[in-house]
Amino acid sequence: ELKVEQNPLFLSMQEGKNYTIYCNYSTTSDRLYWYRQDPGKSLESLFVLLSNGAVKQEGRLMASLDTKARLSTLHITAAVHDLSATYFCAVNTMEYGNKLVFGAGTILRVKS
Amino acid sequence: GAGVSQSPSNKVTEKGKDVELRCDPISGHTALYWYRQSLGQGLEFLIYFQGNSAPDKSGLPSDRFSAERTGGSVSTLTIQRTQQEDSAVYLCASSPGREGSEAFFGQGTRLTVV
Repeated sequence: ELKVEQNPLFLSMQEGKNYTIYCNYSTTSDRLYWYRQDPGKSLESLFVLLSNGAVKQEGRLMASLDTKARLSTLHITAAVHDLSATYFCAVNTMEYGNKLVFGAGTILRVKS
Repeated sequence: GAGVSQSPSNKVTEKGKDVELRCDPISGHTALYWYRQSLGQGLEFLIYFQGNSAPDKSGLPSDRFSAERTGGSVSTLTIQRTQQEDSAVYLCASSPGREGSEAFFGQGTRLTVV
């Protein structure tokens, strides 16, 4: 069974601070996805990482993938209140029929 | 349409009634997922359709739940004899099905069983 674990599950941080969310997965895969969900809304795709060492950045968010460690990170730089949301990572692999498997999500609250 | 469309957006039903939730995926997308999200919780996988392959039904919580995908496009999730614990937001997503393609989510159907 493909398992995806995120930590922390809840993160409260001050504006202007940096922090990292971690996503570990249990099997070989080089396809990892990050999504954002605002309260009461659906999921919005943030990043698609498709190779070892892949790094993508959008504004204050940067995602990276280490397939050997089976680890992806989502780094937040100088957080602002607008980044408050729930962040999910997801993995798929042909070994499991290409089905997307999600982590439990990380609730991020940025305090003004 | 441009995105994944789900209907209805909200549904209130009495306990014991059957409900049908509809998902129109993005045109040309061969993969379709149904997830359930209870208040403040993560995503619970329900079912996955990929092209003409047999669907992965491993996430359906009971035999009261079923789903169809007609003509490789529209999907209907049916819940029979609804229970209060079925109350949740039901999310549909579709993807092109190619290796490395991301999934796009609809806005969800909020189901309330009273």
